Amino acid sequence: ETGVTQSPTHLIKTRGQQVTLRCSSQSGHNTVSWYQQALGQGPQFIFQYYREEENGRGNFPPRFSGLQFPNYSSELNVNALELDDSALYLCASSLSGYRGNEQFFGPGTRLTVL
Amino acid sequence: KQEVTQIPAALSVPEGENLVLNCSFTDSAIYNLQWFRQDPGKGLTSLLLIQSSQREQTSGRLNASLDKSSGRSTLYIAASQPGDSATYLCAVKDFGNEKLTFGTGTRLTIIP
Repeated sequence: ETGVTQSPTHLIKTRGQQVTLRCSSQSGHNTVSWYQQALGQGPQFIFQYYREEENGRGNFPPRFSGLQFPNYSSELNVNALELDDSALYLCASSLSGYRGNEQFFGPGTRLTVL
Repeated sequence: KQEVTQIPAALSVPEGENLVLNCSFTDSAIYNLQWFRQDPGKGLTSLLLIQSSQREQTSGRLNASLDKSSGRSTLYIAASQPGDSATYLCAVKDFGNEKLTFGTGTRLTIIP
């Protein structure tokens, strides 16, 4: 069974640029959630995708957008990067209706915005 | 709005001791609660999930309890080892809400 994978591991961008982060869900999972974790803080929910549709969104501006593909992998896109977007971005997958929708996390992508 | 608090922010204990990490939440109408471990700069590893109807869950040296009425959960680690050093996060999932709400974590250091 393959766990959640994310790419790239690290990324450096400059303010105003756009970035795309990728996530492959755990085998058999149909739901993907994205979180942003600033240094020393707990992860903050960005949004969730279920069956290719957005299924809940946290308090993040529209320049944060996402996609889920038929194979349940997902992308997080961030436009017009700001310095405060520097964080660890975590992807989590789950199987809707199984074990309380227990979420399993990937290793994260460290984004640095200069 | 659900808020999750973990106190203390950091904890150091000698190897071999038993210890308890605390988590409190403001809204008792939770669907479940998860405990995670995070090593520096890494992703989260799920340790235990407790459904709202359960009182506790056990996995090896770990035992998590849940008291919804008081809005508290504890993670008990028996016979601590240096490899247990990490940040421990708790997160709650509310009914009708897809997100996990996290605390800021407790950074645990086990002293050899």
